[in-house]
Amino acid sequence: AQKVTQAQTEISVVEKEDVTLDCVYETRDTTYYLFWYKQPPSGELVFLIRRNSFDEQNEISGRYSWNFQKSTSSFNFTITASQVVDSAVYFCALSERVGYQKVTFGTGTKLQVIP
Amino acid sequence: SQTIHQWPATLVQPVGSPLSLECTVEGTSNPNLYWYRQAAGRGLQLLFYSVGIGQISSEVPQNLSASRPQDRQFILSSKKLLLSDSGFYLCAWSVLKHTEAFFGQGTRLTVV
Repeated sequence: AQKVTQAQTEISVVEKEDVTLDCVYETRDTTYYLFWYKQPPSGELVFLIRRNSFDEQNEISGRYSWNFQKSTSSFNFTITASQVVDSAVYFCALSERVGYQKVTFGTGTKLQVIP
Repeated sequence: SQTIHQWPATLVQPVGSPLSLECTVEGTSNPNLYWYRQAAGRGLQLLFYSVGIGQISSEVPQNLSASRPQDRQFILSSKKLLLSDSGFYLCAWSVLKHTEAFFGQGTRLTVV
């Protein structure tokens, strides 16, 4: 069975600080996909990134970066120079290679950026 | 471009009343469609998914049902709501297996 753990329930940082959101996953499959979503106060989930299990290259998109390490089953998300607009709940998710897109979400990390 | 519409945004219903939440997708054909529920302070739980018209699979036994009468329409229903059905319901779509899902704005349901 697949499982996603986001141990950090809530994080508060001061604006311009860097912050890393942790994600640890469990799966028996060798082929799987990892995602990060952002849920602002409005409620809609916004897709941020998808990684497949064969691509361990780290990714950077503006102030966002992702560190995927299969050896530790982690897919951590770092926001550099945080801004108030980054305040949201962030979800990590895992999809295994089955006949449909069965996605397991973590419980989310609520990030509050204080001005 | 593709868009997803979900309504209503908020809903307050008495226990025992029926429920119908609707979701439609525009700008794509034959999408995979999903219904998720997010309980307060918890992650998202997949309730139903559909890979085509009339094809519904349930992930969790519950008081809810889903239907897909048209290619881009997905409906979540209940004949009699329970207090435990309260939550934030999200509809989502994806094009291919294992690609990212795109979510609607959600319906906050409160059963009283």
